[in-house]
Amino acid sequence: EVQLVESGGGLVQPGGSLRLSCAASGFTFSYYWMSWVRQAPGKGLEWVANIKPDGSEKYYVDSVKGRFTISRDNANNSLYLQMNSLRAEDTAVYYCVRDRPHFDYWGQGTLVTVSS
Amino acid sequence: QSALTQPPSASGSPEQSVTISCTGTSSDVGANNYVSWYQQHPGKAPKLMIYEVNKRPSGVPDRFSGSKSGNTASLTVSGLQAEDEADYYCSSYARSKTQRVFGGGTKLTVL
Repeated sequence: EVQLVESGGGLVQPGGSLRLSCAASGFTFSYYWMSWVRQAPGKGLEWVANIKPDGSEKYYVDSVKGRFTISRDNANNSLYLQMNSLRAEDTAVYYCVRDRPHFDYWGQGTLVTVSS
Repeated sequence: QSALTQPPSASGSPEQSVTISCTGTSSDVGANNYVSWYQQHPGKAPKLMIYEVNKRPSGVPDRFSGSKSGNTASLTVSGLQAEDEADYYCSSYARSKTQRVFGGGTKLTVL
């Protein structure tokens, strides 16, 4: 059974940093593109970033370029999102998603709240 | 990146059919056959309903179908049931297949 379990969310002040993690199981993690997708409270879905299976290519939505970094550790079946210079508008539930490029498996999400 | 355009709401009575549109551009929806649709119930993670325009994952009822014409994709739900009431989002490749984009979402109400 495919499972994606996010962790690392929480409350952070504007300008602060946070690192999200996603533990993957039930499939050969190193074969697949992976994405982060977020959803602000009461709003729609927004694709944030994705990463190639070997980590050699990474792409971002314009609003997070230069502030967020996606990475992965295939040996430990883990996906990460390093978020720096956080802003109030980054407040959202962040989902770890398998990217094929349709998003066939989703984690339960982790809430990031940026507020003073 | 601009979000794909969906109507904010749609509705239908039980057993009726409803179609939700998703309009993009020649750079995203019109440029590929990697359009997908997601269902999201309140407080839950989204669920894949349609991929590659018209393919259904295992376990998704055949009441759900997808199509595309030019820069507009559509999701049709036939034989509406109460449990179909949810938010629906479309998604597509964007920018030469390196990025992804979602529609703004459509709230489907079963009357």
